[in-house]
Amino acid sequence: AQKVTQAQTEISVVEKEDVTLDCVYETRDTTYYLFWYKQPPSGELVFLIRRNSFDEQNEISGRYSWNFQKSTSSFNFTITASQVVDSAVYFCALSDETDSWGKLQFGAGTQVVVTP
Amino acid sequence: DAGVIQSPRHEVTEMGQEVTLRCKPISGHDYLFWYRQTMMRGLELLIYFNNNVPIDDSGMPEDRFSAKMPNASFSTLKIQPSEPRDSAVYFCASSLITSGGNPGYNEQFFGPGTRLTVL
Repeated sequence: AQKVTQAQTEISVVEKEDVTLDCVYETRDTTYYLFWYKQPPSGELVFLIRRNSFDEQNEISGRYSWNFQKSTSSFNFTITASQVVDSAVYFCALSDETDSWGKLQFGAGTQVVVTP
Repeated sequence: DAGVIQSPRHEVTEMGQEVTLRCKPISGHDYLFWYRQTMMRGLELLIYFNNNVPIDDSGMPEDRFSAKMPNASFSTLKIQPSEPRDSAVYFCASSLITSGGNPGYNEQFFGPGTRLTVL
């Protein structure tokens, strides 16, 4: 069963618009970790942010921010004032004990296209 | 510092041939992961190692696939014999888990990937 769902296949925005990426996860564990990775056209996956299950405080890091809500099992990610360089595929991922800690379970990814 | 290094970057081979993909993790990292990315199945973990020992190989699709890590700085993923459905991008990633730390917490650093095409 898919444990990480990214319902948005592609999002297109004009530069400077905000982009919010949705992620819904499924786990029975009380301790788990959530991640966002970026895959630019060059192909290499790059770590962006991480959140553990005990910390629901939402944060902002530069133009990135995230909204973690355990009640709805969601871990949404926002890019503020998007730029062309933000064009990439963004993956949400989950690590939990049930499927072994080292195993990152990725969602299907959301393609973000930022046009000038 | 050098990141994760993979070779070759591109490989084109014919069905039935043996394919070997190589990975050099970031120096000092103690976890190494092999992933496969396809349009149909997305990103899948194939196998991962801790201190050169395979921990979970449940994602290895079948006996045609094998992975080794003879030392801390080198790993291979071998497909023998290769089939067209093995065509994908194969990623290697590494991670450093601090002593007593939870391996689920630390981010993984990915290599550039090897694009494999089996004709």
